[in-house]
Amino acid sequence: DAKTTQPPSMDCAEGRAANLPCNHSTISGNEYVYWYRQIHSQGPQYIIHGLKNNETNEMASLIITEDRKSSTLILPHATLRDTAVYYCIVRKAAGNKLTFGGGTRVLVKP
Amino acid sequence: GAVVSQHPSWVICKSGTSVKIECRSLDFQATTMFWYRQFPKQSLMLMATSNEGSKATYEQGVEKDKFLINHASLTLSTLTVTSAHPEDSSFYICSAAGWLAGHTDTQYFGPGTRLTVL
Repeated sequence: DAKTTQPPSMDCAEGRAANLPCNHSTISGNEYVYWYRQIHSQGPQYIIHGLKNNETNEMASLIITEDRKSSTLILPHATLRDTAVYYCIVRKAAGNKLTFGGGTRVLVKP
Repeated sequence: GAVVSQHPSWVICKSGTSVKIECRSLDFQATTMFWYRQFPKQSLMLMATSNEGSKATYEQGVEKDKFLINHASLTLSTLTVTSAHPEDSSFYICSAAGWLAGHTDTQYFGPGTRLTVL
């Protein structure tokens, strides 16, 4: 599976949109981009995933560039409860292994 | 939907004893379940993948005789840490994947089990 690169940490202001970048320049045509987050001492929580098109659900929006080499997870109105480590993972459609990198530690501040 | 539970949420045991951790998919049938381990300040590391009714596939470096995995039904997988030692102390997390609301093979994670071996 393609490797991803994320900033190790970022701060966000409560109530503002949080934009989390992810680079996956070696992604293949049959690989999906998945986002999970892990709040301290809990199991990871599924957020969203996409292949080519932008996706939106009740938690977040996923913007994938046209060349698919990078993506951005958008939390539209960050709250203190969104403080967590966010993982961007690229996974083949046929296989279902997830390889977790270091993720981005997001701190939402009042 | 997509709820995965683990039991127990935490366990303390003596060195040399065995500990069983259960992972259940509560509202969907999990064709595949996964077991991860996470040490403090580190990311999740996949230990093994199990498909219902077949033997688990272990990642390189994970001892299959020490970490016994059973996936006897589409809603239950168990991980048994045999002859546990202090270095096995970790946060063990399971995940489950199956057809759910069109999300093909999306993994949903349990809350984790914190194992402390004294």
